[in-house]
Amino acid sequence: DGGITQSPKYLFRKEGQNVTLSCEQNLNHDAMYWYRQDPGQGLRLIYYSQIVNDFQKGDIAEGYSVSREKKESFPLTVTSAQKNPTAFYLCASSIMRGSNNEQFFGPGTRLTVL
Amino acid sequence: AQSVSQHNHHVILSEAASLELGCNYSYGGTVNLFWYVQYPGQHLQLLLKYFSGDPLVKGIKGFEAEFIKSKFSFNLRKPSVQWSDTAEYFCAVNYGGSQGNLIFGKGTKLSVKP
Repeated sequence: DGGITQSPKYLFRKEGQNVTLSCEQNLNHDAMYWYRQDPGQGLRLIYYSQIVNDFQKGDIAEGYSVSREKKESFPLTVTSAQKNPTAFYLCASSIMRGSNNEQFFGPGTRLTVL
Repeated sequence: AQSVSQHNHHVILSEAASLELGCNYSYGGTVNLFWYVQYPGQHLQLLLKYFSGDPLVKGIKGFEAEFIKSKFSFNLRKPSVQWSDTAEYFCAVNYGGSQGNLIFGKGTKLSVKP
């Protein structure tokens, strides 16, 4: 099946620890995105990548980092600098970045900081 | 600033009632418009999209939306809801053509009583 996988589904972290969320897609899409979803806040863009080895900050990039070493993978690291990391994180991809391109979403990772 | 407003945070309807969820965006230039749905425990998925042409757009599961440029609106409608329509609905707008990112509204939770 083609699609986007995110792991783990649930993640618990102690304060002060960095944690990496996985996102893999087998849709052969060039563009990938990370969003954060909080209750009543909708989705906010953290980072996006249009091509391998290139990525750009979104609206709320502080305290997060990403890499794009392979087309199919776009891991997100939530660092200890992120002041309020407890949230639901969604990864998405599209054929290419742009207005005519539907974004496909993964199932999400729920991160809880203890 | 570019923004997307969804008027209702939580809508509760009985089965067979008609549905209209409001969505307004802030920018007057070229936009592409989307409605996404998130069923409980499932991926965010596309309901429908508008790029150009007929402003009345039909999507999956009997949903439709009308783009009214003069009102900067893209309201979602369904003539008769079912219990299975219980979900969270997100309006999203791409501003600025091919280089734009998606801006999401804060979402509307729809609860349909059987």
